Amino acid sequence: KAGVTQTPRYLIKTRGQQVTLSCSPISGHRSVSWYQQTPGQGLQFLFEYFSETQRNKGNFPGRFSGRQFSNSRSEMNVSTLELGDSALYLCASSVGGTVWEQYFGPGTRLTVT
Amino acid sequence: AQKVTQAQTEISVVEKEDVTLDCVYETRDTTYYLFWYKQPPSGELVFLIRRNSFDEQNEISGRYSWNFQKSTSSFNFTITASQVVDSAVYFCALSTSGTYKYIFGTGTRLKVLA
Repeated sequence: KAGVTQTPRYLIKTRGQQVTLSCSPISGHRSVSWYQQTPGQGLQFLFEYFSETQRNKGNFPGRFSGRQFSNSRSEMNVSTLELGDSALYLCASSVGGTVWEQYFGPGTRLTVT
Repeated sequence: AQKVTQAQTEISVVEKEDVTLDCVYETRDTTYYLFWYKQPPSGELVFLIRRNSFDEQNEISGRYSWNFQKSTSSFNFTITASQVVDSAVYFCALSTSGTYKYIFGTGTRLKVLA
């Protein structure tokens, strides 16, 4: 079974631009979560989607948004990029429904200059 | 509030030594789940174990073992006879039923020296 895939793997953007990251979960998984990982803040929860519905979100500004499609694929968008948004963005999928282990993708490394 | 504390920022051991990684959690919920993940230098987090709050049995998987103690709110992870390939950052995480949110600790970097 294929793992979680994320595209692109690397991105370089300029401050003020916007970016869209994509995540394809493991086949059969209906829950997708997004995390931001930085050396200073560690792994921080962004949001979680299940069957196209956002069930929870972390403490991030409204510039961070996401969505999930009917095939469980998910995208996250960051508008008006700031230097502090430079991070590794991780997507994780799980069976969903209740609390199951998450399987992580390789991440997208975003650099904002 | 929910919180996961991994007080050990970095641990260095010599190969074949045993090492224990500590994890202390906080939650007021009675139904919750604890996890351990490994993040090797390649960067991809790897799931190791899931434990629910009603199952305090310790678990052993090869050289890995986990000690869950509700009385001290701890879920510690021991690697027996460590190997260089165990070098990684290890994360403990907590999720409570119905929140769909996973709280991660700050991680412990384990360096196993040959």
